Amino acid sequence: ETGVTQTPRHLVMGMTNKKSLKCEQHLGHNAMYWYKQSAKKPLELMFVYSLEERVENNSVPSRFSPECPNSSHLFLHLHTLQPEDSALYLCASSQVGGSYGYTFGSGTRLTVV
Amino acid sequence: GENVEQHPSTLSVQEGDSAVIKCTYSDSASNYFPWYKQELGKRPQLIIDIRSNVGEKKDQRIAVTLNKTAKHFSLHITETQPEDSAVYFCAASPDSSYKLIFGSGTRLLVRP
Repeated sequence: ETGVTQTPRHLVMGMTNKKSLKCEQHLGHNAMYWYKQSAKKPLELMFVYSLEERVENNSVPSRFSPECPNSSHLFLHLHTLQPEDSALYLCASSQVGGSYGYTFGSGTRLTVV
Repeated sequence: GENVEQHPSTLSVQEGDSAVIKCTYSDSASNYFPWYKQELGKRPQLIIDIRSNVGEKKDQRIAVTLNKTAKHFSLHITETQPEDSAVYFCAASPDSSYKLIFGSGTRLLVRP
């Protein structure tokens, strides 16, 4: 493991379900991120947490709800999703002002049926 | 906010040839420019990065150049090998290692 762990790796959910994605980092970083990766699209920044405070929400629909209970854990709560929300959801962490860029998790492949 | 454009979207080269991927950014305040490689089914991994106080950086077969005036930066891979086949993403940030904005990616295929 690279230090950022995401669970589950794969998730299939119906449009009326509620589920959560989990991310955990063991690197002592002070910022964590959720990105959405769809086919043939850039990595889209969804949410940024710095020192456990949400500092950015890039016009993400309210059916996505992040939670950062501490500096090591990040969640993405999902409810009433749409099929177009199917994508790879990547968590990343970094040390703001540091020298090593992001470390990504392996992602959760989400399919909404 | 920052916007990063990346070209080409796909690139096919013969093994041993060089490959060049180019990115432009919009925010003149950006000062950190990493490149990530994502192999099929795997997470993006940092392969090289450059900061705005440097014009060029090299690490074995890969190099990155930065032109701050023109606001573009490029990834150069020499002596390409089949294992270089992957999707490559450029990114930019005005605040080192924080809130990276990514390009759309380049799918590189190295033909044996």
